[in-house]
Amino acid sequence: EAQVTQNPRYLITVTGKKLTVTCSQNMNHEYMSWYRQDPGLGLRQIYYSMNVEVTDKGDVPEGYKVSRKEKRNFPLILESPSPNQTSLYFCASSFKGQGNTGELFFGEGSRLTVL
Amino acid sequence: QKEVEQNSGPLSVPEGAIASLNCTYSDRVSQSFFWYRQYSGKSPELIMSIYSNGDKEDGRFTAQLNKASQYVSLLIRDSQPSDSATYLCAVTGAAGNKLTFGGGTRVLVKP
Repeated sequence: EAQVTQNPRYLITVTGKKLTVTCSQNMNHEYMSWYRQDPGLGLRQIYYSMNVEVTDKGDVPEGYKVSRKEKRNFPLILESPSPNQTSLYFCASSFKGQGNTGELFFGEGSRLTVL
Repeated sequence: QKEVEQNSGPLSVPEGAIASLNCTYSDRVSQSFFWYRQYSGKSPELIMSIYSNGDKEDGRFTAQLNKASQYVSLLIRDSQPSDSATYLCAVTGAAGNKLTFGGGTRVLVKP
C-alpha cells in the first residue's frame, strides 16, 4: 500500500529535550516536505527536499533541522523544543516535476506537545 | 496580506445543493493550483489540481481558474453530508518547489 508513515503519532515532551519525528514513504517520490498546522494559521511549510541531499527552508524553519540521506526518509529534528513548537506536524511527498510538487501525499500527522 | 486567502466559513449548504468555494492568491507567477480536503482529525487529501485557465471537472467537483483575476474556485455539486470537511486551496510558485496553503474553508452539508 502506497503511504507516508510518520512516527510518533503523539508525543508529549519537555522544553529542551531533543526529539526526532521520522517520516518514510514507499512511493519512490523525490520531493518531500514538512508542514505544521496550527489553528488560525493553517498549514505552513517548515522544510522541503527536492531530492537526496537537497534540502531547503520553507516559511517557518526556525528551531527545526532536517536531513535527506535516503530517498525514502526525511526526519524532522527539534534540537531544543520550545512550547511554541507545540503543533500538529505533517510529512508529505510527491513526484518531482512541473507542478507535481503540489500533488502531495500526506502522512497521518504527528501531534507534538512541548511543556 | 496573506499569499493565499480563503473565507474560513463555515459554509453551510443543504444536501443536494451546490457548494461554491473561492480562493485568491497574490503571486502573479503562480503556476499550479490545488484543492485538498481535510476531515476533522485527519490529514489533507488531494481532490483536484488545475494548471490552466478555465474549468476542470472530476465527478461532482469542478475547479475553475482565472489567472488574470488571480482566483481559483471549487464547486461541489449535489453536496452530500460526507462532503462536510475543511477545503484547503494550495498554490505553487513559478519554480514549482514551494506549495503555499490557504487557511481553509469549512463546509457543513446539512441533511
